[in-house]
Amino acid sequence: KQEVTQIPAALSVPEGENLVLNCSFTDSAIYNLQWFRQDPGKGLTSLLLIQSSQREQTSGRLNASLDKSSGRSTLYIAASQPGDSATYLCAVTGTASKLTFGTGTRLQVTL
Amino acid sequence: NAGVTQTPKFRVLKTGQSMTLLCAQDMNHEYMYWYRQDPGMGLRLIHYSVGEGTTAKGEVPDGYNVSRLKKQNFLLGLESAAPSQTSVYFCASSLGLAGVDTQYFGPGTRLTVL
Repeated sequence: KQEVTQIPAALSVPEGENLVLNCSFTDSAIYNLQWFRQDPGKGLTSLLLIQSSQREQTSGRLNASLDKSSGRSTLYIAASQPGDSATYLCAVTGTASKLTFGTGTRLQVTL
Repeated sequence: NAGVTQTPKFRVLKTGQSMTLLCAQDMNHEYMYWYRQDPGMGLRLIHYSVGEGTTAKGEVPDGYNVSRLKKQNFLLGLESAAPSQTSVYFCASSLGLAGVDTQYFGPGTRLTVL
């Protein structure tokens, strides 16, 4: 059974810092990996989707990497801003197109 | 476009009561999903649909039923609510298979069962 782990569970950084969020998964037989953002009381918004054949994807200040063989992904956020404060979730797509989600990292960017 | 909407936003039930959560999408998506999110656990798939008139079980289907009579709507029913069903419920839709195409999520329904 696929398990997705995100460490740390919570992170607080000062504005302007670059930061890395980590995601690990136990079964490397995945089709892709996605990073989502969830604001308090809101639904999830897809940030980046990395296909299993890709190594990384970039969108603005966000860069996600994927090392399928080692079961790891990182989300790099450059020059963090208070508006980046949210919970970040990763999810892997396995067989039958089922998504398995991690429990998330709650990010707080302080002024 | 409204995207994915969910009704109601909040609900409190007593044990044994029934209710239906409504999900609607205006993006002409084939695939629709119901998830629940509990503290300390990732989102878990309850049921999903790959097109109008179809439904399938997800990871945690017990105690729930679903229907997809119209392409744009996906209903989640609780026939006899239990405290273990206290959770935040999210609906999502996608044009193609989840993970192949981006899933779009609704704002969630917070359900409390007393």
